Amino acid sequence: IAGITQAPTSQILAAGRRMTLRCTQDMRHNAMYWYRQDLGLGLRLIHYSNTAGTTGKGEVPDGYSVSRANTDDFPLTLASAVPSQTSVYFCASSPYPGQGAQEQYFGPGTRLTVT
Amino acid sequence: SQQGEEDPQALSIQEGENATMNCSYKTSINNLQWYRQNSGRGLVHLILIRSNEREKHSGRLRVTLDTSKKSSSLLITASRAADTASYFCATDKTGGYNKLIFGAGTRLAVHP
Repeated sequence: IAGITQAPTSQILAAGRRMTLRCTQDMRHNAMYWYRQDLGLGLRLIHYSNTAGTTGKGEVPDGYSVSRANTDDFPLTLASAVPSQTSVYFCASSPYPGQGAQEQYFGPGTRLTVT
Repeated sequence: SQQGEEDPQALSIQEGENATMNCSYKTSINNLQWYRQNSGRGLVHLILIRSNEREKHSGRLRVTLDTSKKSSSLLITASRAADTASYFCATDKTGGYNKLIFGAGTRLAVHP
């Protein structure tokens, strides 16, 4: 099935632990994005990648890191989780960043609770 | 800080009525997009309007854009219970390279 998959669906994590959220797309899109969604704040961009091998910081990058070793995968890592990182995390992709207006395709999300 | 601000925060209507949601933004944009999110799900793209366009239609959706006022509206005509969801506007700032900035959303409830 074409689209974006995210894993895990949900996770409860102790503060201080390391966690990697996985994101895979099979649409061969060049650009990928990670957002967090908090109640009342909409979605905020954490990190993005315009193409394999490149990444950039979004609006709220602190405490998170990403890598883009290939076109399909864009994992998000929390090196040492803190309670303020409790949120729902969405991965998204779009075909060609910068080449005109494009919609983004979203995964189903990962609900993360840091205790 | 958020680029887009939706109004109202919540809207409750009866089936068959029209629903209008508004979005205001702060800086110049390449385009503005509307997304829908059903409870507990990911966002789904609805419609995109470019900065040189004033109005766009897609089925029961009508979007307007007023760049002089930095505002947009989304109209859903003849609403259905299945339209119950949260609706978000997202702006692609000029020079933003397709990095979208989302508003906080409007929660729409359509009652049978």
